[in-house]
Amino acid sequence: DIVMTQSPLYLSVTPGEPASISCRSSQSLLNPKGDSALEWYLQKPGKSPQLLIYLGSSRAPGVPDRFTGSGSGTDFTLKIGKVEAEDVGVYYCMQALQTPLTFGGGTKVEI
Amino acid sequence: EVQLVQSGAEVKKPGESLRISCKGSGYSFFSYYITWVRQVPGKGLEWMGRIDPSISSVTYNPSFQGHVTMSAENSVTTAYLHWSSLEASDTAMYYCARHYGISTAGTELDYWGQGTLVTVSS
Repeated sequence: DIVMTQSPLYLSVTPGEPASISCRSSQSLLNPKGDSALEWYLQKPGKSPQLLIYLGSSRAPGVPDRFTGSGSGTDFTLKIGKVEAEDVGVYYCMQALQTPLTFGGGTKVEI
Repeated sequence: EVQLVQSGAEVKKPGESLRISCKGSGYSFFSYYITWVRQVPGKGLEWMGRIDPSISSVTYNPSFQGHVTMSAENSVTTAYLHWSSLEASDTAMYYCARHYGISTAGTELDYWGQGTLVTVSS
């Protein structure tokens, strides 16, 4: 199985300041089309997870442009340009290259 | 409006059977896969497997294979997750989510159900 490792586990942020979360995979997530099979999800407190980023850097519809996904191969980053209070929750990366699909352990973002 | 509506919370005893459901609406149900995700209280997300409702083809996570069964009924646009014999360790929130592809495109889980909390306790 592909192991996904996120860091940090916890992130305390100040509104208006940037934030960054790292995700590393145990093997390359490059798919046969040359895209990165890496997705980012946010689970707000008490809610279902929601899609933020797919194919490593494509923002999902309705996701604010302060969220940016980058990276390739085995190293990926989710950046929040200017954190807002509504961005609190747990962020997960997930590899979609091969089954079983696997999630990172999560990064809890608090204000 | 796309919606995935899951059945309500369940409290069961070890050894009992259970089926929970995920009803899709607002889209072509058989054109999208349904993935099931487990979240043990206070823990992270685990991919359990997915079903292609158009052909009822299932891919299981080996960690769950043999313990759960995924199925779908296109006539009622509903996917199911079934246990024949629950264990205390099955206590968790279970989410369904849809995606339209696998492998190279459409793998993203773009809509999620609200979750079904399953509690297994004697």
